Amino acid sequence: GQQLNQSPQSMFIQEGEDVSMNCTSSSIFNTWLWYKQDPGEGPVLLIALYKAGELTSNGRLTAQFGITRKDSFLNISASIPSDVGIYFCAGQLGPYGQNFVFGPGTRLSVLP
Amino acid sequence: SAVISQKPSRDICQRGTSLTIQCQVDSQVTMMFWYRQQPGQSLTLIATANQGSEATYESGFVIDKFPISRPNLTFSTLTVSNMSPEDSSIYLCSVEGMQGAGGTEAFFGQGTRLTVV
Repeated sequence: GQQLNQSPQSMFIQEGEDVSMNCTSSSIFNTWLWYKQDPGEGPVLLIALYKAGELTSNGRLTAQFGITRKDSFLNISASIPSDVGIYFCAGQLGPYGQNFVFGPGTRLSVLP
Repeated sequence: SAVISQKPSRDICQRGTSLTIQCQVDSQVTMMFWYRQQPGQSLTLIATANQGSEATYESGFVIDKFPISRPNLTFSTLTVSNMSPEDSSIYLCSVEGMQGAGGTEAFFGQGTRLTVV
């Protein structure tokens, strides 16, 4: 089946630093989503991308849908302690009703 | 966005027993999805549940082990049957919503953390 690769697997950064993580696939996706999961909680949607080349921001978060439709990145600017968590990318191949494929996640730790 | 409530939020169960997880959505949805997240892992789709028909299971998951009910457009249950320690995971209910630009987004409940002893 389709697989997503996420990098880095984990990262430790200082508070205030910017963060960049990406997601790649051998398949072409029509939708890319980025989620954050805190311990003991379900994933929470951060940003949704629907068009190749699309660049979308949500506060300190910025994500882009790659031109090839096989990749996406998420940037977090000026990190704060509450950014700690696991970030998942998810891709959807087709239209409404097709399930999303999830990447393995990037575990982010923010050091004060 | 949809609000999804899952019950129980966590449970510790004896091996060989079964647990039924409930998922309630605040709006009517056609399809509901059940995922499993093993410790330290990503999300894996178990099955897709449509109202009025049998659930569609992904490779590696079978109805006898994970029976699903979908009695109406706002509710579903997932049962983990004859549990073993390997079933210890977070189980997540999900629905899709249409975004204004015509795209879709997936929303999740808070998950059910299951520990089998």
